[in-house]
Amino acid sequence: AQSVTQLDSHVSVSEGTPVLLRCNYSSSYSPSLFWYVQHPNKGLQLLLKYTSAATLVKGINGFEAEFKKSETSFHLTKPSAHMSDAAEYFCVVSPTNFGNEKLTFGTGTRLTIIP
Amino acid sequence: ETGVTQSPTHLIKTRGQQVTLRCSSQSGHNTVSWYQQALGQGPQFIFQYYREEENGRGNFPPRFSGLQFPNYSSELNVNALELDDSALYLCASQLIGAPGANVLTFGAGSRLTVL
Repeated sequence: AQSVTQLDSHVSVSEGTPVLLRCNYSSSYSPSLFWYVQHPNKGLQLLLKYTSAATLVKGINGFEAEFKKSETSFHLTKPSAHMSDAAEYFCVVSPTNFGNEKLTFGTGTRLTIIP
Repeated sequence: ETGVTQSPTHLIKTRGQQVTLRCSSQSGHNTVSWYQQALGQGPQFIFQYYREEENGRGNFPPRFSGLQFPNYSSELNVNALELDDSALYLCASQLIGAPGANVLTFGAGSRLTVL
């Protein structure tokens, strides 16, 4: 069984300040982990993925995440928030790399950027 | 390279009716998955189709059914609609058998309202 817990349903930061979105996971396997972003009326877009290579993963738009097995965490960070980062963010776990297993999504974190 | 397209974007039905949602996969992808996203929740896996066969199913009743066509496009059918079926339905495609097979490309979704 696998599950994902996003620790904050809503995060607000000022433009230009760091962003931290927290995610803890549970999986019986060595999982693949992802962060997806959802802008209003847009499809889910992949920000980054971890698949058992480097534990620090760099994604698009300046986002990165660190896989910490001992803490079962995969937190998403960005050094400096931009207004265009306002969106819903989902932490996602998959038990394999093969693509034939379902993705399990967290409940999402809504990121608000204060001008 | 075209992305994943879904139709219709919005629709309204009444309880007991039936609905068909359509999805065109990203060019070159051979697998389609459907997810249901209720308001304020993360997407939930409905099922996946690979080579025109159902290749995994989430915790959804049989009145949720699907098809995949030889051109890899797909349909989601829901019979006997209930109020709780109101949600955003997301289609995602991927290429199983290639590197990065577990990275999905999502469409923008079809928003279904059941009255």
